[in-house]
Formats: sequence, C-alpha cells, structure tokens
Amino acid sequence: AQSVTQLDSHVSVSEGTPVLLRCNYSSSYSPSLFWYVQHPNKGLQLLLKYTSAATLVKGINGFEAEFKKSETSFHLTKPSAHMSDAAEYFCVVSDPLLSGTYKYIFGTGTRLKVLA
Amino acid sequence: GAGVSQSPRYKVAKRGQDVALRCDPISGHVSLFWYQQALGQGPEFLTYFQNEAQLDKSGLPSDRFFAERPEGSVSTLKIQRTQQEDSAVYLCASSLDQGNSPLHFGNGTRLTVT
Repeated sequence: AQSVTQLDSHVSVSEGTPVLLRCNYSSSYSPSLFWYVQHPNKGLQLLLKYTSAATLVKGINGFEAEFKKSETSFHLTKPSAHMSDAAEYFCVVSDPLLSGTYKYIFGTGTRLKVLA
Repeated sequence: GAGVSQSPRYKVAKRGQDVALRCDPISGHVSLFWYQQALGQGPEFLTYFQNEAQLDKSGLPSDRFFAERPEGSVSTLKIQRTQQEDSAVYLCASSLDQGNSPLHFGNGTRLTVT
C-alpha cells in the first residue's frame, strides 16, 4: 500500500537559517507528491506539488522540494527561515497505480518552530 | 464563493446524538474528499467521491459513518450515535479531477462529543 513517512515530528531552526523537512514515500513508478502547510487554527494550504515534470519543484513562500526516485524521498527545503514559517507541514502522496484508488495519503506531520 | 465551504464551523454533540456535516466544494470540481484530523495528528482519509459516485469508503471507521453527494456537488457526512472518540476536525477537500490535481481544503468542522 502507498504510504508516506515524515522522519521528524518536530524541527527547530533559527530565523534566517535553512529549513529541511524530510519525507520518504512508498509508491509505484509515478506518484504524485505534495507538501501542505497548516498554520494554527487555519486551513491546509498547498505549498507545492510534483506530478512527473521537473524533479525540482518550486512552491510558494520560497519553499522547494526535490523528487529523488532512487531514494524515494521528497524533502522540503527553504534557504532562510522566517518567523511566519512556523507551522505544521504535511507530505502527501497519491498513487492510484499502487493503491488502486485516488485517495491522498498524509504523513503524520512535522511541526516547524522558528527561533528569533 | 471561491473556496471550499464547510458548515457548521463548530459542533458540540452529546454522546449518542446524530450529526450532519456539510461541504460545499469549489464549483466544477469533480472529486470530493472527507478527512478526519484528530488533535496533533495528520488528516486521515475517510472517503471520496467522483461526481455523485462514492468510489472509496475504506477509511470510514464504522457503519455509524455515512457520506453522500447525491447531485455531484454538495456533500454531507453523517455520524450516527456519536461517541467520544469521534471528536476531531472533519476536513472536506475538492479537486478538479483525479489523482494528480491538488486538493483544496475547507476550514473544517470541529466536532466535540461530550
């Protein structure tokens, strides 16, 4: 079955330093992968998506992610953290070829804390 | 409106009561999904529709949960005889088509069962 693993439940960085949120997935040849962000008491917002085009995907607010098939990873990065980046981040996979269904599977989330 | 709309925003139910949660997707979106998000957890898939057809309901936790989308637009998630473990945020999302279109989420309905 398709699955997604977020390797860190909590990540703390200082403002202005790089951010790395890790995500690994199990899938078939061509999954669709997404990152979503959830600010406290706010709805889920799409950051970026990978759907078999370029392996380096740029999203909103300076975030990007790289699809690495050999490592089954889709890590989220940002060169310089801002205080407003503090939130919960979810990695999501959709792979109908593997699962036989179009449901989107969420990781358990990574809470990003940004220190002043 | 431009986004996914869910109502009510908050619902408090006494144990054993039935509740109905409404989702109004983005106009023209074919697929509609329901998720359950417990406190501090990631969203868990419940069910999804393509137009009016319910194609996957494998995530519904029990036969007390029922979802419908009779005209392929608005959807209702019904929970019968609510239990305390049903307390969660119920999220609705819609997408333009299947598989690789991003999900657009509503703000959710926070259900508290007392």
